[in-house]
Amino acid sequence: QVQLVQSGAEVKKPGASVRVSCQASGYTFTAYSVHWVRQAPGQGLEWMGRINPNSGDATYAQNFRGRATMTRDTSISTAYMDLGGLRSDDTAVYYCATVLMAAAGVFDPWGQGTLITVSS
Amino acid sequence: DIQMTQSPSSLSASVGDRVTITCRASQSISTYLNWYQQKPGKAPKVLIYDASTLQSGVPLRFSGSGSGTDFTLTISSLQAEDFATYYCQQSLSTGDTFGPGTKVHIK
Repeated sequence: QVQLVQSGAEVKKPGASVRVSCQASGYTFTAYSVHWVRQAPGQGLEWMGRINPNSGDATYAQNFRGRATMTRDTSISTAYMDLGGLRSDDTAVYYCATVLMAAAGVFDPWGQGTLITVSS
Repeated sequence: DIQMTQSPSSLSASVGDRVTITCRASQSISTYLNWYQQKPGKAPKVLIYDASTLQSGVPLRFSGSGSGTDFTLTISSLQAEDFATYYCQQSLSTGDTFGPGTKVHIK
């Protein structure tokens, strides 16, 4: 079945960087964009950006330009989101999602989420 | 960027109640509007896409309507499993895409 499986939770110190991976299965990875969305504790959903797995082109939300980098490895159907200069307010669950219903722009399916905790 | 707002931010309701959540876009988005349900510790799940199309497997008590800038999600008869947070999402353009959410509490 179609699924996205993310890497496990991590604890990072302020100023460090983190990489979250998102491995796709059950569909053609290069045919659909992968989006990254984060959710701080008790807060709403914040769109971070997206990557076209075919071309590797990425688009970032303004809040993350210069700090987030989205890449992919098509050989293993995996997307990556690197976030640098971590601060305590980057503590959040990070989700990847793809858009199989491209015409509607629906985020479905989603990965299970990866908790990143930033603490000294 | 298109800004999305939702009202109310939270509501209390009882099982069997009819519940309506409103979503507004800062500019016209035609029917490029999707609704998600999120339960604690889980990823969001799509309920409605294209403003009014029910996702496969979603109960018929959920419905969506609207176009342009104003949209609604209606739960015709609230069930125990519907207590969750609901988000709207515009899919017309890249950028700020989600509304702030509406949390549905048990009364």
